[in-house]
Amino acid sequence: DAGVTQSPTHLIKTRGQQVTLRCSPKSGHDTVSWYQQALGQGPQFIFQYYEEEERQRGNFPDRFSGHQFPNYSSELNVNALLLGDSALYLCASSFGRNNSPLHFGNGTRLTVT
Amino acid sequence: GENVEQHPSTLSVQEGDSAVIKCTYSDSASNYFPWYKQELGKRPQLIIDIRSNVGEKKDQRIAVTLNKTAKHFSLHITETQPEDSAVYFCAASLTGGGNKLTFGTGTQLKVEL
Repeated sequence: DAGVTQSPTHLIKTRGQQVTLRCSPKSGHDTVSWYQQALGQGPQFIFQYYEEEERQRGNFPDRFSGHQFPNYSSELNVNALLLGDSALYLCASSFGRNNSPLHFGNGTRLTVT
Repeated sequence: GENVEQHPSTLSVQEGDSAVIKCTYSDSASNYFPWYKQELGKRPQLIIDIRSNVGEKKDQRIAVTLNKTAKHFSLHITETQPEDSAVYFCAASLTGGGNKLTFGTGTQLKVEL
């Protein structure tokens, strides 16, 4: 039973570029959330997808967008990259939307130069 | 929005001793409180969680207590072992808030031989 898988594991981009990160949820899970974890900090909620729609959003600008596909997998897109976007991006999946345990993937380490 | 404070930021104990990490939250509507363990370079892993209708929960050497009146919750690890060394994060989720977790800033636990 595969857990949450994310790709790529590492990524280096230049300021102003765009990036797409991918996530496959744990088997049986239908909800995907994305978090940003800066070095030495706790994860910060970006948004949550359920039934292919963004259901909740954290305090992140519109440069951050996402998508969920019919198979529950998800993408996180970040446009016009800034140096401050350098972080570990974590995908987490769960069954349902309300307070069910989150299972995290290993994350994608994004470095913006 | 919800705010979660966590302390201490670092904690060093001798093997076999107990470790306690404390968190406070701001929104009385929060009703789900998970704890995650994150080893260096790895994903956050759920180690225990508690809901607001329960005051205490225990799983082997790990226990969590919740005081709703004071809006604080604590993680207790007994008989610590070197493999317990990691960063521990507390989190809180609002009622009806889906799976949007607000995380604390983390506690670096070091268990010394």
